[in-house]
Amino acid sequence: QVQLEESGPGLVKPSETLSLTCTVSGYSITSGYYWAWIRQPPGKGLEWIGSIYRSGTTYYNPSLKSRVTISVDTSKNQFSLKVTSVTAADTAVYYCATVRQTWASWFDPWGQGTLVTVSS
Amino acid sequence: SYELTQPPSVSVSPGQTASITCSGDRVGDKHVFWYRQKAGQSPVLVIYEDTQRPSGIPERFSGSNSGNTATLTISGTQSMDEADYYCQTRDSTTAVFGGGTKLTVL
Repeated sequence: QVQLEESGPGLVKPSETLSLTCTVSGYSITSGYYWAWIRQPPGKGLEWIGSIYRSGTTYYNPSLKSRVTISVDTSKNQFSLKVTSVTAADTAVYYCATVRQTWASWFDPWGQGTLVTVSS
Repeated sequence: SYELTQPPSVSVSPGQTASITCSGDRVGDKHVFWYRQKAGQSPVLVIYEDTQRPSGIPERFSGSNSGNTATLTISGTQSMDEADYYCQTRDSTTAVFGGGTKLTVL
């Protein structure tokens, strides 16, 4: 079955770029589905960041669109997230997930999540 | 932008029925999905397309969606069901989550 695992630095300085990678196993990204990033600030709710299709077509949350880039590397069966000009408000657990139908249908499964702290 | 509203908390006694609501403008015209998130864990899908239960999710979990309210119902609630629950839908440009409901089984 599909499994996802996030990786990347756990600490990022303010104004710098947050970069995370999601490695997919048990399924080829080129076979279908959409792939998404979702985040959860400590003690708060979930926020969709964006989704990407195997072709590279992307969909972004309008509130983050100016700072976010999601890309896919089919040769490595990975997709990635970059968030520029980060502030403390970007401190969150970042999850990657499989999107089962269109770019924003249901998310299943999710990775285990990785905490990214923005601090100097 | 589209918003989904959930009660912050719901309490239920073991064996009783818990209902968690998710309100939004004409949400009945959209598909709603529900996730369970236990403490320190990733969210897990428990209902998709309003009423469908993924494999491995107990039959005591059910969903409905009509008008301005979607509802997740847990029948015969067990202590293991204690968790945060989130509803989700999408509008034309965004996947939207509700604020989450903490279910306490006491």
